[in-house]
Amino acid sequence: EAGVTQSPTHLIKTRGQQATLRCSPISGHTSVYWYQQALGLGLQFLLWYDEGEERNRGNFPPRFSGRQFPNYSSELNVNALELEDSALYLCASSLAQGVMLGGEQYFGPGTRLTVT
Amino acid sequence: AQTVTQSQPEMSVQEAETVTLSCTYDTSESDYYLFWYKQPPSRQMILVIRQEAYKQQNATENRFSVNFQKAAKSFSLKISDSQLGDAAMYFCAYRSTSGGGADGLTFGKGTHLIIQP
Repeated sequence: EAGVTQSPTHLIKTRGQQATLRCSPISGHTSVYWYQQALGLGLQFLLWYDEGEERNRGNFPPRFSGRQFPNYSSELNVNALELEDSALYLCASSLAQGVMLGGEQYFGPGTRLTVT
Repeated sequence: AQTVTQSQPEMSVQEAETVTLSCTYDTSESDYYLFWYKQPPSRQMILVIRQEAYKQQNATENRFSVNFQKAAKSFSLKISDSQLGDAAMYFCAYRSTSGGGADGLTFGKGTHLIIQP
């Protein structure tokens, strides 16, 4: 069974540009979570998509947005990039109603975003 | 809001020895999940072990076991017979069962585990 995949592995952008990160969940998983792992800040919850809808977002500004496609893959967009957006962005997937079924989330390898 | 605290930024253990990583959390909820994830240098977060708060029995997975003390809000991870492949960052994580999982996982800052050959 294929795990969660993310692309690209690395992304280098300049301040003010837009970045698009992609995630494909494990087959059968409908929930996708995005996390930011920035140096010194740890792992922080960014966004949750389920059944094509944004269900919740963490304490991040609106320039962090995304969407979930009918095949449950997801895209994270970061607009007007700032230097502090440099981080590892991790995507995780879980079953629908995952909380009721054990709560596990399975992570992808991440996208390293560098903003210069 | 829930918080997770890992008080050991770094731990070192000799190969084949046993090591315990500490984690405490703060919550007002009675039902939740706790996890230990491992992040090796390859960056891939790997689920190590899971504990349901309503279960008194401590979870075990091969060489990995937890000591879950609900009243003390403590959730430590014991790694027995440490192996070189265990070297990684270990994260303790909390997940609420309320709101259908809306808040995702709340992570601690992590503990860097070094295995000495």
